[in-house]
Amino acid sequence: DAKTTQPTSMDCAEGRAANLPCNHSTISGNEYVYWYRQIHSQGPQYIIHGLKNNETNEMASLIITEDRKSSTLILPHATLRDTAVYYCIVRVAGQAGTALIFGKGTTLSVSS
Amino acid sequence: NAGVTQTPKFQVLKTGQSMTLQCAQDMNHEYMSWYRQDPGMGLRLIHYSVGAGITDQGEVPNGYNVSRSTTEDFPLRLLSAAPSQTSVYFCASRRDSSSSYEQYFGPGTRLTVT
Repeated sequence: DAKTTQPTSMDCAEGRAANLPCNHSTISGNEYVYWYRQIHSQGPQYIIHGLKNNETNEMASLIITEDRKSSTLILPHATLRDTAVYYCIVRVAGQAGTALIFGKGTTLSVSS
Repeated sequence: NAGVTQTPKFQVLKTGQSMTLQCAQDMNHEYMSWYRQDPGMGLRLIHYSVGAGITDQGEVPNGYNVSRSTTEDFPLRLLSAAPSQTSVYFCASRRDSSSSYEQYFGPGTRLTVT
């Protein structure tokens, strides 16, 4: 699976958009980009995933560049409850034996 | 719909003791897996299962056994606990192993081995 690079930490004011970048310059054509988050001591929570096109759901939007070498997770109106560690993961769908490789992620701190 | 449940939430063991961490899901998912998370680190895969009766090793399988007799349950057994196994253990499931579907995680079991 391709390696990802994320900033260690980011700050965001409550109510503003949080834009979390991820670089995955070695991504392969069949690798998806997944985003998960982990709120203190809880199990990781799925947020969104995509292959080529931008995606949006009730939690967030995922913007993938045309060359697929980077992506941005957007939380449109961050709240205090969005404070968490956010993980960007790339992997081939359907690989039974390979884990979602959770690196150290980005610690997002939302403040009022 | 309870999702993925894990018991116990907390456990303290003495070195050499054995125990079983329980994991169950009610989503009829074929694929289930166990991870451990050490302080300040990401998650590492211990064992996984692609269906009832089928299991395989992940990145860090030593010291752990698994079995999958039903679709719903995927217990993790520590054979002889060691302090190095002090960690938070997460069970996860997803619909199957050949899709891009998201993975659902349980709340975790916090294990301390003294």
